[in-house]
Formats: sequence, C-alpha cells, structure tokens
Amino acid sequence: AQSVAQPEDQVNVAEGNPLTVKCTYSVSGNPYLFWYVQYPNRGLQFLLKYITGDNLVKGSYGFEAEFNKSQTSFHLKKPSALVSDSALYFCAVRDASNTGKLIFGQGTTLQVKP
Amino acid sequence: EAGVAQSPRYKIIEKRQSVAFWCNPISGHATLYWYQQILGQGPKLLIQFQNNGVVDDSQLPKDRFSAERLKGVDSTLKIQPAKLEDSAVYLCASSHNVGTRTDTQYFGPGTRLTVL
Repeated sequence: AQSVAQPEDQVNVAEGNPLTVKCTYSVSGNPYLFWYVQYPNRGLQFLLKYITGDNLVKGSYGFEAEFNKSQTSFHLKKPSALVSDSALYFCAVRDASNTGKLIFGQGTTLQVKP
Repeated sequence: EAGVAQSPRYKIIEKRQSVAFWCNPISGHATLYWYQQILGQGPKLLIQFQNNGVVDDSQLPKDRFSAERLKGVDSTLKIQPAKLEDSAVYLCASSHNVGTRTDTQYFGPGTRLTVL
C-alpha cells in the first residue's frame, strides 16, 4: 500500500536561512508525489509535484523539491525562508489505483522566526 | 479562474443532529473529491466522483454519511446523525480528469465542523 511519512512534526528556521521539510514515501510502481501548504483556516494550496524527469522540481513561491529514488525521499526546500512561509506542509502520494486519490502524510508545521 | 467554493465555512451542531456541506468545483473539472481532515492529521478521502458517478466511496461511513453530485457539477455531503468524532475539517477538491495520476487536485477552503 502507498504511504508517506513526514518525520518532523515541526521545523524551526530563522528568516533568510534555507529550509528543508522532509518526506519519505513507500509506493508500488512509479511514484507521483505532491506538496501542499495549508495556512490557518484555509484549504490546501498546491505547491509542486513530481511525475517524471528532473529530480529537482520547482514550484510556487520559490519552493522546490528534490526527488531521490534510492532514498525514497521527496524533501521540500527553499533557499531563503520568509516569515510568511510559516504554515502547515503536507506531502502526498498518488494512490496506485485508477481512482487517483491522494494519500497524505501527517503534516509538518514550519515556523520561520524573524 | 475561480477556485473551488465551499459553504458554510464553519458549523457547530449537537451530536445526533444532521448537517450538510456544499461544494462547487472549478469549472470544467470532471472529478470531485471529499476529504476529512481531523486535527493533527492529513486529509483522508471520503468519496470521489467522476461527473455524477461514484468512483471510490470505500472510506465513507455509509451508515451516517452520504454524498451526491446529481448534475455532475456541484456536490453535497451530508452527515446524519453526527457523532463527536465527526468533528473535523471537510475539504472538497477537484481535478480535470480521473485515471490520470499526474492530475493536480485543487482544494477549497474547507468547512470546519464542531460536534458538541
């Protein structure tokens, strides 16, 4: 069965520093991986996805993610964090069935301090 | 392009009462999803429609939850009767196609349900 794990409940970084939010996955077949961000009292906003091709995927708001097949990881990164990046981040994998539902990790809270 | 619309944004009810949530997907999106997000967890799929047909309702508690998408556009999710453990955020999402695993799902703002 497909699954994702986000090993950190919270990540704290200083504004201007690089940030990494970790995600590992378990899939049968090719992985289709997604990152979403959730601000308080808001729905999930799509950041980026990995389907195939380059291992470094660029997304919205300056975020990027690195796909590593050997380590079954898909870590979210940003070179320079902003206070406004503080939010809840979810990694998700597309289910292998034809329904295409997303299976989400438990989420990581990113706190960027001035 | 307008996003996914949901209403109401917040709802507080007593246990054993009924409640309904409404969702209008992005125009032209054939696939509509309802997810339940319990505090501290990631969203979990309840039901998925393609046009007006159900694709996956395996995780829907059918003794109390029901959903419909009669004209293949907007959708209603109902809970009757509600239990305390139904307190959660109910997220609606839509995507252009089903069976295309590269398709991106776009989410609405959610409805936060509190059952007292």
